Amino acid sequence: QKEVEQNSGPLSVPEGAIASLNCTYSDRVSQSFFWYRQYSGKSPELIMSIYSNGDKEDGRFTAQLNKASQYVSLLIRDSQPSDSATYLCAVNRRAGTASKLTFGTGTRLQVTL
Amino acid sequence: GAVVSQHPSRVICKSGTSVKIECRSLDFQATTMFWYRQFPKQSLMLMATSNEGSKATYEQGVEKDKFLINHASLTLSTLTVTSAHPEDSSFYICSVPPLAGETQYFGPGTRLLVL
Repeated sequence: QKEVEQNSGPLSVPEGAIASLNCTYSDRVSQSFFWYRQYSGKSPELIMSIYSNGDKEDGRFTAQLNKASQYVSLLIRDSQPSDSATYLCAVNRRAGTASKLTFGTGTRLQVTL
Repeated sequence: GAVVSQHPSRVICKSGTSVKIECRSLDFQATTMFWYRQFPKQSLMLMATSNEGSKATYEQGVEKDKFLINHASLTLSTLTVTSAHPEDSSFYICSVPPLAGETQYFGPGTRLLVL
């Protein structure tokens, strides 16, 4: 079992729709969860971070965390063509003082006109 | 977010040569930096943790004698790919964690092509 699992996609949604991206993780002691967006040929950029169960909203983005189910998701409302990218889920296991992140393989999102 | 730079952004070299990649934290001091590698259509794989003033910590399967890491100051870490071969061609990205337990901010990456 992979430590962080994501559906590779592509996930195709029409412009203006809600895109739902999902991620599961295997390590129950994980404490911090992140969503990064990566455009082709570029490095990842942070979209959302979430640390406690429930929802966290930031503009068009909502992160949802359920530690009991070991599940974290990202909702993108009013999807735009510029949202087309690969979305990486990352989990922090807090190894000592170093924040080692484990990444999923990413879900490719395509927002169609 | 934190500003992290990498140099060079792109490098092409012949097989057998060594390539040095620099990672700089521009707006805060970092005792720890991370080096990742990403092959096409794959996710980021952590290669090593760079520790200022001490030896780097390498992930399982990463050859420490091939990927030399030097964290010479609180704002600079370097990764040297020694005797590079075509299979080392990849996208190398560094990241900096501003606070323990917080996120990481990534540099723009260095694309290495070994001919």
